[in-house]
Amino acid sequence: AQTVTQSQPEMSVQEAETVTLSCTYDTSENNYYLFWYKQPPSRQMILVIRQEAYKQQNATENRFSVNFQKAAKSFSLKISDSQLGDTAMYFCALRGGDQGGKLIFGQGTELSVKP
Amino acid sequence: GAGVSQSPSNKVTEKGKDVELRCDPISGHTALYWYRQSLGQGLEFLIYFQGNSAPDKSGLPSDRFSAERTGGSVSTLTIQRTQQEDSAVYLCASSLGPLSQGEQYFGPGTRLTVT
Repeated sequence: AQTVTQSQPEMSVQEAETVTLSCTYDTSENNYYLFWYKQPPSRQMILVIRQEAYKQQNATENRFSVNFQKAAKSFSLKISDSQLGDTAMYFCALRGGDQGGKLIFGQGTELSVKP
Repeated sequence: GAGVSQSPSNKVTEKGKDVELRCDPISGHTALYWYRQSLGQGLEFLIYFQGNSAPDKSGLPSDRFSAERTGGSVSTLTIQRTQQEDSAVYLCASSLGPLSQGEQYFGPGTRLTVT
């Protein structure tokens, strides 16, 4: 079975600082994808960043970057220069290559960016 | 272009009643997913449609839940004889295909409250 674990239910960070959200996962597949989704209070889930397991290079999208440690099955999200608009629930998700595309989500981390 | 839309945005129903939730995916997206987001269970996969293939119903929690997708586009999730534990936000997502690297685009969800 595939599982995703986020061990930080809540986090807070001062505006302009850096914060790292943790995620660990378990899968027996070699071909899979990892994602970070953001869900603001409006409920709309938005993709933040994705990582293909076969790529060794960590993905980066502007202020967002990941630390992908395949052997450790760890996939953390780093947010640099945090902004008030980053306040949201963040979900780590796993999609197996053979699972028809369905996502397995972690429990989420509620991030508050304080002015 | 238009994103994934869902209706209604909120639904309050009495225990024992049937409800129908609707999802309009992004035009041209062949894959459609339903997820449920609840306080106790987090985000759970429910069902997945891909083109004309038989749907993956492995996430449906009971036989009171069913879904259909007409003409490869609009999908309806039906919950019969609703129970209080069915109260949750039901999210729909679509993507270009299951094995594409493309993201799943989520709708705003339907908040279902069973009284």
